[in-house]
Amino acid sequence: AQSVTQLGSHVSVSEGALVLLRCNYSSSVPPYLFWYVQYPNQGLQLLLKYTTGATLVKGINGFEAEFKKSETSFHLTKPSAHMSDAAEYFCAVSGNAGGTSYGKLTFGQGTILTVHP
Amino acid sequence: ETGVTQSPTHLIKTRGQQVTLRCSSQSGHNTVSWYQQALGQGPQFIFQYYREEENGRGNFPPRFSGLQFPNYSSELNVNALELDDSALYLCASRRGNNEQFFGPGTRLTVL
Repeated sequence: AQSVTQLGSHVSVSEGALVLLRCNYSSSVPPYLFWYVQYPNQGLQLLLKYTTGATLVKGINGFEAEFKKSETSFHLTKPSAHMSDAAEYFCAVSGNAGGTSYGKLTFGQGTILTVHP
Repeated sequence: ETGVTQSPTHLIKTRGQQVTLRCSSQSGHNTVSWYQQALGQGPQFIFQYYREEENGRGNFPPRFSGLQFPNYSSELNVNALELDDSALYLCASRRGNNEQFFGPGTRLTVL
């Protein structure tokens, strides 16, 4: 069984400030972890993913996330927020490739990011 | 390369009716998954199809069913609609163990 908890349903930052969106997961198998972004009235776009190897993962638009197994966390960060980053962000987990739960994503509740001028 | 497309974009039904939602997978993708995203919630996995067979199902009742066609397009069918079925339905496709790509979704409203 897998689950994802995103801490904070709303996060507000000033333009140029650090963005930190928190995600904790539980998984009975080695996880693959993902961050998706959703703009209003649109589908989901993959920001970054962790599968194996390096625990610090870099994604699009300057975002990165670090897999910390001991803390069961996969927090998303960006050093300097832009107005265009305002959207809803979802953390998700699946089983690893070759397993029966691969590709069947379990999502968190989402975090709405607001960026103030 | 075309992306994942879904139709219709919006749909209004009444309780008890049946609905069919359609998804056209990205070219070359042989696996399609469907998700339900209720307002203010994260998407929930409904089921996945691989080579025209259901290959995993989430916690959804049998009145949610699907089909995948040889050209890798797919359908989601929901019978006996309930008010709680109102949601954004997302389709996602992938090839093998590669990244899956999401369509823009179909917004279903049940009155």
